[in-house]
Amino acid sequence: GAVVSQHPSWVICKSGTSVKIECRSLDFQATTMFWYRQFPKQSLMLMATSNEGSKATYEQGVEKDKFLINHASLTLSTLTVTSAHPEDSSFYICSGKGGWDTQYFGPGTRLTVL
Amino acid sequence: KQEVTQIPAALSVPEGENLVLNCSFTDSAIYNLQWFRQDPGKGLTSLLLIQSSQREQTSGRLNASLDKSSGRSTLYIAASQPGDSATYLCAVKEDSGYSTLTFGKGTMLLVSP
Repeated sequence: GAVVSQHPSWVICKSGTSVKIECRSLDFQATTMFWYRQFPKQSLMLMATSNEGSKATYEQGVEKDKFLINHASLTLSTLTVTSAHPEDSSFYICSGKGGWDTQYFGPGTRLTVL
Repeated sequence: KQEVTQIPAALSVPEGENLVLNCSFTDSAIYNLQWFRQDPGKGLTSLLLIQSSQREQTSGRLNASLDKSSGRSTLYIAASQPGDSATYLCAVKEDSGYSTLTFGKGTMLLVSP
């Protein structure tokens, strides 16, 4: 099956710093990738949709200047949390759109902002 | 706006029991519905996907049904095992062609030996 990886799997940073999370489709090309965040005991909430070579589409309420998304190739999308604050601490999951419009999910990245 | 609700939020059963997890959605115009498993601190594993034209899907001890008109789906787990302990998420894909999924909050299942 299609595999999506995320790096890092967990990160701890100081408030005010920026953190970059990578999402890679390992054995398929993902023209579209999705970024979700999940708070404890909550559902996954879609943050943004990124298409290779174009600007990401952000969901309502998600600050595009704070959560920078780059989808520079068919196998790589990055999410940069700029000037991170404790309230940004969450579990971030990406997915890549594969054949038959199926989403394949990455293992997630746990971000803790001190 | 589509909303997905899962009941119960948590469930604890002894090993060997058959159990049912419920999922309901407010807008019946869905393209498909998917059940996922999420282990603590991990990503999602797709279990079953039911197209809107289908009534059920089976994989091993898992059986998922879909009643699109009433906005409901159930995930049946037969002969539960401790390894089934995880959070089970239900997600629907809208019928708009746009590929986003709307997730429920999940049911946290604990199967005790």
